[in-house]
Amino acid sequence: KQEVTQIPAALSVPEGENLVLNCSFTDSAIYNLQWFRQDPGKGLTSLLLIQSSQREQTSGRLNASLDKSSGRSTLYIAASQPGDSATYLCAVMETSGSRLTFGEGTQLTVNP
Amino acid sequence: DVKVTQSSRYLVKRTGEKVFLECVQDMDHENMFWYRQDPGLGLRLIYFSYDVKMKEKGDIPEGYSVSREKKERFSLILESASTNQTSMYLCASSLNPTIRGYTFGSGTRLTVV
Repeated sequence: KQEVTQIPAALSVPEGENLVLNCSFTDSAIYNLQWFRQDPGKGLTSLLLIQSSQREQTSGRLNASLDKSSGRSTLYIAASQPGDSATYLCAVMETSGSRLTFGEGTQLTVNP
Repeated sequence: DVKVTQSSRYLVKRTGEKVFLECVQDMDHENMFWYRQDPGLGLRLIYFSYDVKMKEKGDIPEGYSVSREKKERFSLILESASTNQTSMYLCASSLNPTIRGYTFGSGTRLTVV
């Protein structure tokens, strides 16, 4: 059974810092990996989608990488801002069953 | 952009009531999903649908049913609400999950008292 782990569970940084969020998964038979952002009490907003054949995707200050063979992905946030404060979730889509398996998220706080 | 709309942000219902949670998407997606999210348990798949009138059980279907009479609408039904169904419910849709990923709605916070 696929398991997705996100480390750290919580992270607090000063504004302007570059940071890395980590996601690992146990079964490399995936179609893609998706990073989401969730604000308190709200739904999920898709940030980046990386296909299994890709190594990375970029959107603005965000860069996500994927190393499928080692079962790892990272989300890099450059020049963090207080508005980046949220919970970040990664999810993998398995080739067996075509369903998403989520990690528990990293709660990020960016302090002014 | 795809929009996934959940009709209620907050709901309070009594134990034993029949509860309907509605989800509508505006981009002709075949695939729609219902998740619940709980602290310490993360997101868990309740039901999903790949087409009109088609439904598949997810990981935790007990106590729930679904309806998909039209392509754009996917309803989650709590047949007899119980306090352990107090949760955040999230609906998602996708044109092709393996290529396009998922789009989520804004969530419904359901409290059963």
